[in-house]
Amino acid sequence: GAVVSQHPSWVICKSGTSVKIECRSLDFQATTMFWYRQFPKQSLMLMATSNEGSKATYEQGVEKDKFLINHASLTLSTLTVTSAHPEDSSFYICSATTIEPRETQYFGPGTRLLVL
Amino acid sequence: AQTVTQSQPEMSVQEAETVTLSCTYDTSESNYYLFWYKQPPSRQMILVIRQEAYKQQNATENRFSVNFQKAAKSFSLKISDSQLGDTAMYFCAFGSQGNLIFGKGTKLSVKP
Repeated sequence: GAVVSQHPSWVICKSGTSVKIECRSLDFQATTMFWYRQFPKQSLMLMATSNEGSKATYEQGVEKDKFLINHASLTLSTLTVTSAHPEDSSFYICSATTIEPRETQYFGPGTRLLVL
Repeated sequence: AQTVTQSQPEMSVQEAETVTLSCTYDTSESNYYLFWYKQPPSRQMILVIRQEAYKQQNATENRFSVNFQKAAKSFSLKISDSQLGDTAMYFCAFGSQGNLIFGKGTKLSVKP
């Protein structure tokens, strides 16, 4: 299957700082990438849909000014958590969609964020 | 709005036996996809199997197969010859126009 990478795999930061997470599709081009958040022992919650060359579409309740998404190329999307607070601590997962041979979402390994 | 329901929070099975995980969904759309993803302790989401709604034939991938009942909006996953490495969270997901909606997951434990 297609490979999606995320960097960093884990990050610890102080409250008030900003953290950038990168999501890359390694062997395919993805016009659409997705960002999810997963709390312990819970399911994945879609935060936003990232489209190459256009503004991201955010799900209801997700602050677009706090979670900045940039999809600058067909293989890279970034999520920046601005002015992070302890409640932003979570597991963030990105995915990228292939169209051929069949539309399928492949997931990155996730980024564990801990805000102190 | 689409919803996905997994009614079994936890299940266990003996190694080499067969287990079935349940999933139901609700939608008014006619074109969609259904998926089962596995999330082991590493938390990497791994695609197990997918089913196109327009296909009547149930999808199979080696030891994994589905029972897709479109009229009943049911999409169960059968794991045959369970292996210790199958221990993981299993998420059923509904896909339409690129978006995925996940169920709450079933924690499967395979016991030696």
